Parts: sequence; C-alpha cells; structure tokens
Amino acid sequence: QVQLQESGPGLVNPSETLSLTCTVSGASISDYYWSWIRQPPGKGLEWIGWIGYSDYSVTTKSNPSLGSRVTMSLDTSKRQFSLNLASVTAADTAVYYCASSPEGSYGVGYWGQGTLVPVSS
Amino acid sequence: QTVVTQEPSFSVSPGGTVTLTCGLSSGSVSTRNSPNWFQQTPGQAPRTLIYNTNGRSSGVPDRFSGSILGNKAALTITGAQADDESDYYCLLHLGSGIWMFGGGTKLTVL
Repeated sequence: QVQLQESGPGLVNPSETLSLTCTVSGASISDYYWSWIRQPPGKGLEWIGWIGYSDYSVTTKSNPSLGSRVTMSLDTSKRQFSLNLASVTAADTAVYYCASSPEGSYGVGYWGQGTLVPVSS
Repeated sequence: QTVVTQEPSFSVSPGGTVTLTCGLSSGSVSTRNSPNWFQQTPGQAPRTLIYNTNGRSSGVPDRFSGSILGNKAALTITGAQADDESDYYCLLHLGSGIWMFGGGTKLTVL
C-alpha cells in the first residue's frame, strides 16, 4: 500500500517560495502519478498539480489558476517528489496534501496526512 | 471558466439511501472525466472512496457506489450510518491533464 509523508517549513514569509517534499513508501515512483492538493482553513479542496512519468519522460500539469508559480519535481533515488509555490501570499495559507494515483488508474487513490503551511510575516 | 458543481448540503436518515451528484457548469460529465469521490471528516485527511467513475478504493464498503446519472457523476450511499456524516468531494478530469474539485457536499445523517 502506498504511504506518503509531507515535510516542509512550518511557516513561510509573504513573497517567498513555499517548498514541500513528499516521501513515498510502498511504491515505485515510476509506477504512479503524484499530486499536490491544498485546503485553506475552513474551505474546500483545491487541485494544485501532478507529476509523473509518461512515455519515459517526466510530465507535469498544474492548475491554470496558479499560473507559473508552481513547479514540481521527482527524485527517484530518494523516492520523493516536491512542490515549489513561488511568491506566496496569505491566500496560500492551507493544509497541503501530497497524494498518488490509484493503482493503474487516474485521479487520487492515496493521501498523505497533510501539513499546515501558514504564510505570515 | 469551468466549475465543478456539487450540492452544498444534503441530509439522510439513518438506514436511508442518498445520492450526491457532481456536475459541470458547462457540459455533461461522462466516464471520460474519470470521476473520483472522497470523504473527509473534520481535522482528517480525505479518504478516497471511488476512482474512475465506479472503482471502489480498497477497504471501502460496498454501501458506497459511483456511477453516471444523466449528465452528472453520482455517489450513492445505501444504508446510511452515523459515521457517514462527513464532507464529500468529487474530482473531475477536465481534459489535457487538468483536474478540478467540486466545492463539496456536507452530508448530515439524522
């Protein structure tokens, strides 16, 4: 069973870059698609983007509403994938979840426990 | 701008059946949108119930089922129990690798 654990800073200053890493166990990085999802306090879920191997190359897709602020990467040797969200504001304060696709399918199958990232000076 | 629509709230009696829906502000939902459904209780990470329209995630009771009803994706809960009281979210593939969540449905069991 896929297990996921987010790690990152407890607080980010406005205008800086939010960086999170998700460590994967129980699965091969190359066999799934890996997603980032966030949830502002008291609000609904927002899809941030996904990264994965397609035709032997790494492919990423991100929420158009976040523009070019999102970058994602994979580190197969460390069994990790990462999210960078640039130029953050208070509106980016949220619980950030990493997730994986279901086996052999698309969407979200497994979730990390989530990590709260406040944006504040 | 496409929006994924869900009922803001719904209620069901214990033992009853409820169907939550997930639509698109422009167009119909089909299996091509690969609907996913998630359950979330306060303070917890979401739990995947259904993927790819009607695939049940491991450990999910068969009281939960997914389908396409008319022009929407649907999540049906039969024999509702008290601990089904949660927020339910759908996720749709809009095309070109872009996904979007619905706003969520708060389900009350009373």
